[in-house]
Amino acid sequence: GESVGLHLPTLSVQEGDNSIINCAYSNSASDYFIWYKQESGKGPQFIIDIRSNMDKRQGQRVTVLLNKTVKHLSLQIAATQPGDSAVYFCAEILSGGSYIPTFGRGTSLIVHP
Amino acid sequence: DAGVIQSPRHEVTEMGQEVTLRCKPISGHNSLFWYRQTMMRGLELLIYFNNNVPIDDSGMPEDRFSAKMPNASFSTLKIQPSEPRDSAVYFCASSLGPYSNQPQHFGDGTRLSIL
Repeated sequence: GESVGLHLPTLSVQEGDNSIINCAYSNSASDYFIWYKQESGKGPQFIIDIRSNMDKRQGQRVTVLLNKTVKHLSLQIAATQPGDSAVYFCAEILSGGSYIPTFGRGTSLIVHP
Repeated sequence: DAGVIQSPRHEVTEMGQEVTLRCKPISGHNSLFWYRQTMMRGLELLIYFNNNVPIDDSGMPEDRFSAKMPNASFSTLKIQPSEPRDSAVYFCASSLGPYSNQPQHFGDGTRLSIL
């Protein structure tokens, strides 16, 4: 039969709104987490990271929240701009293991002017 | 600052041909990773090196794929012979580590099309 391509979850927002992108990670022992942004035709770009001894970390217009109880990570983008349109990936790493990140499947963010 | 540099950016070739992808990691980074990205499978780790030594190549799909890192500033990923199912975007990434919590930095990839 015909193979079906992967359809990424999509979040559409208006310019100026706040965006929240969610990620469920798989390993409760993971203790380091990274968010990447991938624009069309480019490689994933590091945005922000957080270690498991924290539950919140802020950067410039971005905030990452970590809820270890339910294995959930979120990326909040304030005052979303058209340049924020991209696919966003979360990655989890287990320290003391291979230190190789496990990437999520990604969420497509579309910002409408 | 120069990031990870990959070449070529695009490659179109006929099946059966040898394909060589190249990567220059960020200076001072001692870990290098090769990934493949497709819509069906997302981002897959193929192989990674630490201090120029291959550590884990379990992600390499088959013997047609090989990777080398002759020195700290250069790596190649080779496919011989190439097949249409190898069509994908191939990324190289580097990091400080791997035995530390440091993010990987990616190049802009090589978009490979095998006809």
